[in-house]
Amino acid sequence: GAVVSQHPSWVICKSGTSVKIECRSLDFQATTMFWYRQFPKQSLMLMATSNEGSKATYEQGVEKDKFLINHASLTLSTLTVTSAHPEDSSFYICSAPFVSTDTQYFGPGTRLTVL
Amino acid sequence: QKEVEQNSGPLSVPEGAIASLNCTYSDRGSQSFFWYRQYSGKSPELIMSIYSNGDKEDGRFTAQLNKASQYVSLLIRDSQPSDSATYLCALGGDTGRRALTFGSGTRLQVQP
Repeated sequence: GAVVSQHPSWVICKSGTSVKIECRSLDFQATTMFWYRQFPKQSLMLMATSNEGSKATYEQGVEKDKFLINHASLTLSTLTVTSAHPEDSSFYICSAPFVSTDTQYFGPGTRLTVL
Repeated sequence: QKEVEQNSGPLSVPEGAIASLNCTYSDRGSQSFFWYRQYSGKSPELIMSIYSNGDKEDGRFTAQLNKASQYVSLLIRDSQPSDSATYLCALGGDTGRRALTFGSGTRLQVQP
């Protein structure tokens, strides 16, 4: 299957700092990517849809000024958690649909811990 | 609003048995269906996709789709302890323009 990478795989930061997470489609181009968050023992929660060359679309209840998304190229989307707080500690996962299909491949995820 | 329902489990089966995971959905217009496996602490991994009514087999996995009954299932033959994970059913998102709609997942435990 297609490969989606994420970096970093884990990060620990102090409260108030900002953290950037990268999501790359390695062997295909993705005009759209999706960002999810998952708390322990809970379901995936869609945060936003990242669109190459345009603004991201955020799900209800997700603060766009706190979770900045940039999709600057056809293979890279970034999620920046600004002024992170302990309640932002979670598992962040991106996914990308494969070339105009519904089949989506997930990155390995980034575990964020905010102290 | 698409809805996808799964029994949260845990579904416990002995090693070597057939595990049957079920999913119902509300949107009759859905055209594509997916099963993902998620191990604890890991991201979801695609197992199978199915688009037409009937069965689709891939190794030990068989996906079954019945659009009239709005029902999709996943059978795992010869279950192994390594199959123990949460299985997520998902509905397609308009050829990639929208995110998939996921069920909450069924936790499978295969007992050695």
